Amino acid sequence: NAGVTQTPKFQVLKTGQSMTLQCAQDMNHNSMYWYRQDPGMGLRLIYYSASEGTTDKGEVPNGYNVSRLNKREFSLRLESAAPSQTSVYFCASSQDRSGYGYTFGSGTRLTVV
Amino acid sequence: EDKVVQSPLSLVVHEGDTVTLNCSYEVTNFRSLLWYKQEKKAPTFLFMLTSSGIEKKSGRLSSILDKKELSSILNITATQTGDSAIYLCAVESATGNQFYFGTGTSLTVIP
Repeated sequence: NAGVTQTPKFQVLKTGQSMTLQCAQDMNHNSMYWYRQDPGMGLRLIYYSASEGTTDKGEVPNGYNVSRLNKREFSLRLESAAPSQTSVYFCASSQDRSGYGYTFGSGTRLTVV
Repeated sequence: EDKVVQSPLSLVVHEGDTVTLNCSYEVTNFRSLLWYKQEKKAPTFLFMLTSSGIEKKSGRLSSILDKKELSSILNITATQTGDSAIYLCAVESATGNQFYFGTGTSLTVIP
């Protein structure tokens, strides 16, 4: 099925461990995004990539790095996980910067203990 | 500081009721306002609003933007249990090309 695929769906990490969240879209979209969703905080933008080869910080980039590997894939890396990074992470893509065309992945529930 | 505030935070209604969800914003260089529905997993797009006073409608759902009041409402008439979800409001700023999301309104429709 066409859409945005995120892996893994669930992950538990110990404080200080590192991991990479993977995201791939098969809709030939130019823009890709990583959001985190926390209770009472809504969705907050971590990083985005307006096109292949470019990445920009969003609202809450600290503690994260991203790579736009190619047009399809946009990964999010936690180098040294902290309990404050416990959250649900969503990847999204769109053809342009308009939210009209946002397609979200199914999310990754990350717990850092 | 740019922000989007939704109210109420949660709502419980009976099937057949009509509900109104609110979204107010303070966002620099407003470009658009979007409504999403989030059930168990990922948000799905409902409406995008850019002009004041023009109602967008899709079945039992409708939405309108008031740029003067910096707000939008989402109406759902004749609610059904399938409308139970979190409804998210997002506002796009042309400054930095960012979207700001509200915390959402959790709607529960009881049979």
